[in-house]
Amino acid sequence: GNSVTQMEGPVTLSEEAFLTINCTYTATGYPSLFWYVQYPGEGLQLLLKATKADDKGSNKGFEATYRKETTSFHLEKGSVQVSDSAVYFCALSDQAGTALIFGKGTTLSVSS
Amino acid sequence: EPEVTQTPSHQVTQMGQEVILRCVPISNHLYFYWYRQILGQKVEFLVSFYNNEISEKSEIFDDQFSVERPDGSNFTLKIRSTKLEDSAMYFCASKSASNYGYTFGSGTRLTVV
Repeated sequence: GNSVTQMEGPVTLSEEAFLTINCTYTATGYPSLFWYVQYPGEGLQLLLKATKADDKGSNKGFEATYRKETTSFHLEKGSVQVSDSAVYFCALSDQAGTALIFGKGTTLSVSS
Repeated sequence: EPEVTQTPSHQVTQMGQEVILRCVPISNHLYFYWYRQILGQKVEFLVSFYNNEISEKSEIFDDQFSVERPDGSNFTLKIRSTKLEDSAMYFCASKSASNYGYTFGSGTRLTVV
């Protein structure tokens, strides 16, 4: 079945450091891929998405490229801020309308 | 920006009681979902709803769970006889037919005591 695997957290960084959170997936066909962010005490917010191979999703300085050859969708940011501290979830949907499948989430903690 | 609204934000209930969690999806969305997140754990899919019927459900969504769209705007999740292990954050989400943008509500924290 479909699944998403994320790197284990927590990830602890200093402000302005480079961030990578790894995500790989298993799916039949050509899924759409997403990153969601959950700030403390809040719900899930879509951070970025990519719907086909080689697409790059980007938002708020975060980027992720859909790599079909490595079945990956790693999240990156060049310079993190304290306000980026949150839990980040990688997710996939294998066709429009079907449920999102989430990874376990990676907690990011950024200190000043 | 349109929002998915969930009520209540926090519900405490006694074991064995019935609870109804309410959601108002975005008005022109066609697909509706419930997920849950046990504290500190992954977000788990429960059920999806399309065209007034369940389109997909997980093994978690057993006979104690049901969903309804009673009036064309609300989307409810009922848990018939709550157990301690039902304590979790429950998220509602909706999606239009035209894109892959799932919009989530802020969640209802259910605490079963």
